[in-house]
Amino acid sequence: AQRVTQPEKLLSVFKGAPVELKCNYSYSGSPELFWYVQYSRQRLQLLLRHISRESIKGFTADLNKGETSFHLKKPFAQEEDSAMYYCALTGGTSYGKLTFGQGTILTVHP
Amino acid sequence: DTGVSQDPRHKITKRGQNVTFRCDPISEHNRLYWYRQTLGQGPEFLTYFQNEAQLEKSRLLSDRFSAERPKGSFSTLEIQRTEQGDSAMYLCASSQRTARETYNEQFFGPGTRLTVL
Repeated sequence: AQRVTQPEKLLSVFKGAPVELKCNYSYSGSPELFWYVQYSRQRLQLLLRHISRESIKGFTADLNKGETSFHLKKPFAQEEDSAMYYCALTGGTSYGKLTFGQGTILTVHP
Repeated sequence: DTGVSQDPRHKITKRGQNVTFRCDPISEHNRLYWYRQTLGQGPEFLTYFQNEAQLEKSRLLSDRFSAERPKGSFSTLEIQRTEQGDSAMYLCASSQRTARETYNEQFFGPGTRLTVL
């Protein structure tokens, strides 16, 4: 069975501080990992995916297959980064259906 | 095209009543997904369509739940004999399967919030 765990329900940092949102997964094959974000009063949207290896809005995430992790990082947090962040996984014959973690609420204080 | 739309945005019903939700995906998208999200949890997969074919259903989808996607365009999710435990946000998402990529970005709708009294 596939599972995504986000151990932190809430994360608070000050503006300009580094931020790391943790994500661990369990999956027997080769997964594809995503970070989705939901800003206040907006719909869920894709932030980044591991195969793209991009930096989006200053965020990066590296897939570590040995540790089965896909942590989201940003060196200098901004107030507009405050949102709910979900780590998600798909793979195999799942037709792209996503398995989400419980989410982490990030609050960046001024 | 303003993205995935869902109707209604909010639904309050009494226990035992039937409800139906509609999802209109992005027009060229052939994949459509339904998820359910309860308070404090991430979205959970319910069912998936590729064009008009329903290819997968979660065991979360009891016999009271049925989904359709006639003609491979919009989709409906019906819940019969609603229970208080059905209270949740119901999310629809769509994506385009291309020959090059298997798992393309899913675009989510705003959701339908169901409250069962």
